[in-house]
Amino acid sequence: SQKIEQNSEALNIQEGKTATLTCNYTNYSPAYLQWYRQDPGRGPVFLLLIRENEKEKRKERLKVTFDTTLKQSLFHITASQPADSATYLCALDIKGGSYIPTFGRGTSLIVHP
Amino acid sequence: DAGITQSPRHKVTETGTPVTLRCHQTENHRYMYWYRQDPGHGLRLIHYSYGVKDTDKGEVSDGYSVSRSKTEDFLLTLESATSSQTSVYFCAISPSGQGDTEAFFGQGTRLTVV
Repeated sequence: SQKIEQNSEALNIQEGKTATLTCNYTNYSPAYLQWYRQDPGRGPVFLLLIRENEKEKRKERLKVTFDTTLKQSLFHITASQPADSATYLCALDIKGGSYIPTFGRGTSLIVHP
Repeated sequence: DAGITQSPRHKVTETGTPVTLRCHQTENHRYMYWYRQDPGHGLRLIHYSYGVKDTDKGEVSDGYSVSRSKTEDFLLTLESATSSQTSVYFCAISPSGQGDTEAFFGQGTRLTVV
């Protein structure tokens, strides 16, 4: 069956360090992969999109990689700040049909001052 | 912020009663989705719509029905609420059925079934 896996354990890092979050998937062939941020009590907010033919995408302090051979995406936040503390979700599309955003469970990031 | 509003924001209801949640958008987006979010399960798709009167089931559709009579409104109905349907419900919208466009989420509805 199709599965999207994100580390369920919270990631604790010190301010200024680089946070790296992982999204692994099985039995999918996504044409796109998206990352969202979710703060407590709020809906997810889109951050970045990466296409299957792109290895890396950057936006300010954010970087996403997409390895279709490993079936993995890494999400990096450089120079992390306490304000980056949130849950980060990856979402995939299912190629060949309507885009139905399918989400991983998310990883909680806690940045300590 | 995308124009998407969920109502009500909070609701407590009794087991066995019908409940309808409303999602209203002002973006004229074609796709609308209902998700539920529970600890340990993340966001799971209940139903989605790809146009007026066009809907389809998601991963966890049992016990739920939807309707979309207008582009801007997508209703989620629990015909007979059960305690297992206690959850936070999110509506999302997207302009197209392609994965290269983002989904915009509402603020969520916290539903408690007692």
